[in-house]
Amino acid sequence: EIVLTQSPATLSLSPGERATLSCRASQSVNSYLAWYQQRPGQAPRLLIYDVSNRATGIPARFSGSGSGTDFTLTISSLEPEDFAVYFCQQRRNWPLTFGGGTKVEIK
Amino acid sequence: EVQLLESGGGLVQPGGSLRLSCAASGFTFSSFAMSWVRQAPGKGLEWVSAISGNGGSTNYADSVKGRLTISRDNSKNTLFLQMNSLGADDAAVYYCAKVVVDGNYPYWFFDLWGRGTLVTVSS
Repeated sequence: EIVLTQSPATLSLSPGERATLSCRASQSVNSYLAWYQQRPGQAPRLLIYDVSNRATGIPARFSGSGSGTDFTLTISSLEPEDFAVYFCQQRRNWPLTFGGGTKVEIK
Repeated sequence: EVQLLESGGGLVQPGGSLRLSCAASGFTFSSFAMSWVRQAPGKGLEWVSAISGNGGSTNYADSVKGRLTISRDNSKNTLFLQMNSLGADDAAVYYCAKVVVDGNYPYWFFDLWGRGTLVTVSS
């Protein structure tokens, strides 16, 4: 099973600041990595798939990068609605696995 | 409107069974692989099971293999999860999710989620 480790667990930032979230895989997932956002009380929402492709309707301030085992989600300038929990997910191997999540909170 | 609506959650005793349903609307259900993902209270996401568009191929997490069974009825646009021998570790919100497709190829990421149905396991 591919283990995804996200860091940091919590990121405390102010609106307008840049957020950089990390996801590290226990073995290569090639480019088969996605990012999701989950706001409190809501279902997850797909942000980015295959490392850097934004899903439909996702603002350009969200971007993804990386390859192999190290990946980054960047939010260029935090909006109030971006304070949420973010998860990465790999589809390289079964079972599909998610990272433990990074909470982006208001500083 | 494109949506997924789960139902069937509730309180079940340890060792009991439950059947979850997910009604799909607004898209050609049979063209898309589907999946179940769960989230224990205050915890992260755990993929549970997946099924191909025609129902001919399924996959399961090791933690549920042999106890949970995914199926679908394309004539009724509905996804199911039969849950047997439930334990405390199965308590969670269960989400059904639609798989991203490029052409006919499933990308095994999830671009549409339901609101979830809560399963509580307690005596």
